[in-house]
Amino acid sequence: EVQLVESGGGLVQPGRSLRLSCAASGFTFDDYAMHWVRQAPGKGLEWVSGISWNSGSIGYADSVKGRFTISRDNAKNSLYLQMNSLRAEDTALYYCAKNKEAVTVAGSFDYWGQGTLVTVSS
Amino acid sequence: DIQMTQSPSSLSASVGDRVTITCRASQGISNYLAWYQQKPGKVPKLLIYAASTLQSGVPSRFSGSGSGTDFTLTISSLQPEDVATYYCQKYNSALTWTFGQGTKVEIK
Repeated sequence: EVQLVESGGGLVQPGRSLRLSCAASGFTFDDYAMHWVRQAPGKGLEWVSGISWNSGSIGYADSVKGRFTISRDNAKNSLYLQMNSLRAEDTALYYCAKNKEAVTVAGSFDYWGQGTLVTVSS
Repeated sequence: DIQMTQSPSSLSASVGDRVTITCRASQGISNYLAWYQQKPGKVPKLLIYAASTLQSGVPSRFSGSGSGTDFTLTISSLQPEDVATYYCQKYNSALTWTFGQGTKVEIK
């Protein structure tokens, strides 16, 4: 059974940093691209960042480019999101999601974690 | 960047009605289009990928069509458990994935 478990969320002051983690199990982690998607309270889904199976291809939404860094450790079956210079508008539930198709970076998301809540407030 | 625009933003229909949601891409994306269902308080669920391929386990009353810039999600006979917000998403290989703004479906 595929499982994605996010952690690392919490309350943080504007301008500070936070690192999110996603622990994956139930599939061959290093075969699949992985993503972070966020959802602000009462709002829609926003793709944040994605990383290919070998970390060779990485993309970011314009809203986080230069502030957030995605990474993965295939030996630990883990995905990360380093979030710096956090702003109030980064407040959201952050989901980890798995690419449906193996190897290719272009894909839909077939499994999602339950999310970890990040609140940016003074 | 390619923008995805859904319409309508919300709709109310009766049980058994045929429901159609549209999604338009600002540039052609071939068939790199997915649809997701998110029930209140729940995690998004993949319904359709490659514009028209039903994800395993998804009821056959859901269907998708389209290619290029115009896409459609159809629920052939709306059921109470279909109350949710539906999102389209483009996923071509430009290293950006974009969701539509969502369509909230309610029962009349």
